[in-house]
Amino acid sequence: AQKITQTQPGMFVQEKEAVTLDCTYDTSDPSYGLFWYKQPSSGEMIFLIYQGSYDQQNATEGRYSLNFQKARKSANLVISASQLGDSAMYFCAMRDRGAQKLVFGQGTRLTINP
Amino acid sequence: EADIYQTPRYLVIGTGKKITLECSQTMGHDKMYWYQQDPGMELHLIHYSYGVNSTEKGDLSSESTVSRIRTEHFPLTLESARPSHTSQYLCASSEYRETANEKLFFGSGTQLSVL
Repeated sequence: AQKITQTQPGMFVQEKEAVTLDCTYDTSDPSYGLFWYKQPSSGEMIFLIYQGSYDQQNATEGRYSLNFQKARKSANLVISASQLGDSAMYFCAMRDRGAQKLVFGQGTRLTINP
Repeated sequence: EADIYQTPRYLVIGTGKKITLECSQTMGHDKMYWYQQDPGMELHLIHYSYGVNSTEKGDLSSESTVSRIRTEHFPLTLESARPSHTSQYLCASSEYRETANEKLFFGSGTQLSVL
């Protein structure tokens, strides 16, 4: 069964600093995908970045990068040069190739201080 | 980017009322989902659909029901609302893929409060 764990309920970071949000996962399927979503206070879920289990390189999307360590089963999100608008809830999620659904972690509330 | 719409955005209703939360997408996606989320908490899958006339229950037991008569429309109904149903309901859709790279597009959510 798929399982996602985010151990940081909240994080506080100074503007312009880099921040790493932790995510570990567990699955028995060798083929899987890992996702990060951002949820601002308005409530919508915004897709940020995707990493496939067979991808050789870490995924990057603008200021977002995913630090994928397969042996450790971790998929941490790195946000470089944080901005006030980055303040939001961040959810890590995964989907096994054989599964029909996306499973979400508990989320991390990120607050960027000016 | 995402063309998936949920109405209403907010709903306050009394106990015992029947309600329907609407969700529509214009991307032609086969798969649609309903997630329930309490404030600041994780999302729990309550229903999903592979396509027209297909509906499945998710991980979290829910007293709601869904229907999928048209590809673009996936409404969620509560026959008799109770205070325990107070939550945010998020609708999502995705294009079917053989691989695990199945990105979900989410609507803006419906915040339901049952008094």
